[in-house]
Amino acid sequence: GQQVMQIPQYQHVQEGEDFTTYCNSSTTLSNIQWYKQRPGGHPVFLIQLVKSGEVKKQKRLTFQFGEAKKNSSLHITATQTTDVGTYFCAGVGGNTPLVFGKGTRLSVIA
Amino acid sequence: KAGVTQTPRYLIKTRGQQVTLSCSPISGHRSVSWYQQTPGQGLQFLFEYFSETQRNKGNFPGRFSGRQFSNSRSEMNVSTLELGDSALYLCASRTGDNSPLHFGNGTRLTVT
Repeated sequence: GQQVMQIPQYQHVQEGEDFTTYCNSSTTLSNIQWYKQRPGGHPVFLIQLVKSGEVKKQKRLTFQFGEAKKNSSLHITATQTTDVGTYFCAGVGGNTPLVFGKGTRLSVIA
Repeated sequence: KAGVTQTPRYLIKTRGQQVTLSCSPISGHRSVSWYQQTPGQGLQFLFEYFSETQRNKGNFPGRFSGRQFSNSRSEMNVSTLELGDSALYLCASRTGDNSPLHFGNGTRLTVT
């Protein structure tokens, strides 16, 4: 079945440093979604990428979808303590349900 | 609009018992999905319901079951609880295929 791998599992950064998490699928995806889960909270939708090679920005966050639609990345510029949480990618292939990566837990040291 | 509501928030059960969790989706959302979240395994898909029909099922034993009612509310049931069933159970609703999931706050189940 479809698998979505996400790396790294953990990332500790100093406030102000950049952060990137990568997502790779075993199959071609129709779209990919990104979610953020704050400690003690539930996943919250951030963005969806649909087109091959698509790049979207939300303030300091940049999301990319690979040309082959099998990989994606989330890059945060100049992290802040409010960025703390676990970032999940979730892929959709055909009529399958969303398959989540295991997430990257981001810690930001002030 | 009210968000996805899950009840109860916390549950403590004993091995061998059964449990029923409830989820009320966002008004107008006909799709409801259930996920199990554990520290080591991340978010694992349990099942998805759309208009009272189970559309997809994850790789979980038959002890895990669910249903959806005509008002789109959903329940999931776990019978013969095992220690390994301790987890955060998240319900999410969406309008349709490829649309984002809206998660509830989850039910934290502890099996002792």
